[in-house]
Amino acid sequence: AQRVTQPEKLLSVFKGAPVELKCNYSYSGSPELFWYVQYSRQRLQLLLRHISRESIKGFTADLNKGETSFHLKKPFAQEEDSAMYYCATNAGNMLTFGGGTRLMVKP
Amino acid sequence: DGGITQSPKYLFRKEGQNVTLSCEQNLNHDAMYWYRQDPGQGLRLIYYSQIVNDFQKGDIAEGYSVSREKKESFPLTVTSAQKNPTAFYLCASRPRGDGKLFFGSGTQLSVL
Repeated sequence: AQRVTQPEKLLSVFKGAPVELKCNYSYSGSPELFWYVQYSRQRLQLLLRHISRESIKGFTADLNKGETSFHLKKPFAQEEDSAMYYCATNAGNMLTFGGGTRLMVKP
Repeated sequence: DGGITQSPKYLFRKEGQNVTLSCEQNLNHDAMYWYRQDPGQGLRLIYYSQIVNDFQKGDIAEGYSVSREKKESFPLTVTSAQKNPTAFYLCASRPRGDGKLFFGSGTQLSVL
């Protein structure tokens, strides 16, 4: 069964500091990986996916098949990045989510 | 702000009662999903449906039931067999061939 692990429940950084939210997955095939974000009082929404290889709101994520990781990174955190972040994998139509990491960016 | 509509926003269940959470989408998406969100546990998959009249159990289906009689609708019933129903329930849908999920605004279920 596929599994997604986000080891940090809470990550607190100061504005302007680099951010890395960790995500590890377990799946023997070639999964599709995503990062979803939930801002306060808003719906859960897609932030980015690995097949797009794009940068959204300054965030990037690289799929490392050797380490089975898909860490989310941003070089300079902004206060508006404070939110709940979920890593997810899609393998065989079952979308599995990690436990989530709450990012707090302090002024 | 259309897309996926969940109702009600808040729901209370009495002991031994079944309750049904509504999820409707006007996105013409084939697949629909129900997740349960608990603090510190992320989203756990309850049931999902790829097409009308077909659905599969997720990781925590016990105590829940679903139906998919119409493409637009995927209601979730929380039965009396679910001993710990208090949670935030999220419905989602996605188009065929695309892994991106579109989420509803959720229903908070509490036990009286």
